[in-house]
Amino acid sequence: QSALTQPRSVSGSPGQSVTISCTGTSSDLGSYNYVSWYQQHPGKAPKLMIYAVTERPSGVPDRFSGSKSGNTASLTVSGLQAEDEADFYCSSYAGNNNPLVFGGGTKLTVL
Amino acid sequence: QVQLVESGGGVVQPGTSLRLSCAASGFAQGFTFSNYGMYWVRQAPGKGLEWVAIIWNDGTRKYYTDSVRGRFTISRDDSKNTLYLQMNSLRGEDTALYYCATVGRNWEVDVWGQGTTVTVSS
Repeated sequence: QSALTQPRSVSGSPGQSVTISCTGTSSDLGSYNYVSWYQQHPGKAPKLMIYAVTERPSGVPDRFSGSKSGNTASLTVSGLQAEDEADFYCSSYAGNNNPLVFGGGTKLTVL
Repeated sequence: QVQLVESGGGVVQPGTSLRLSCAASGFAQGFTFSNYGMYWVRQAPGKGLEWVAIIWNDGTRKYYTDSVRGRFTISRDDSKNTLYLQMNSLRGEDTALYYCATVGRNWEVDVWGQGTTVTVSS
């Protein structure tokens, strides 16, 4: 049950775009279009931002978008705002016996 | 929107047991607790998220991450709209904030509770 691989940190200035990658294997992320992304502010519970690779739950700004190619998924945050500064985690379905695997998390800093 | 409230956390010694509960409410019209698969997800202090266990909406299937299999048991009581996590033989590495959450249609962790803290220490 290896975790998905994310960069430890990314940063960008207000108004810019940043992309966070999430790399898995052909047994998990590469085999299913069930990639999700979560935002977690300090001391708060995570919040679902993207599901099924590209879908946004109601209320999530369209500045957040997801994509996937092969064994790597990506979250792009466009038009960075100060409130976007947070930890971001990806997850993927990985089969019935081990339904969920998370990435190690990425700290997004807005400069 | 579904609301989830966890309880039952605390400070316990290694080798002992603890039972976490998660009370669900606020279902959309036409939906009940029994419509939802449920996760337990934990986060050790300063660390990332880790899936712990999942139970199907009808309770027929339960799966666990390797490190807790055989020690933890997930269950549900639909008559009480409550999810449980029975944790036995607790270890220091089980110290974490434990979240309950609903399973989305695409396996995403959809709605999260605020978490309950478990500390295992002698």
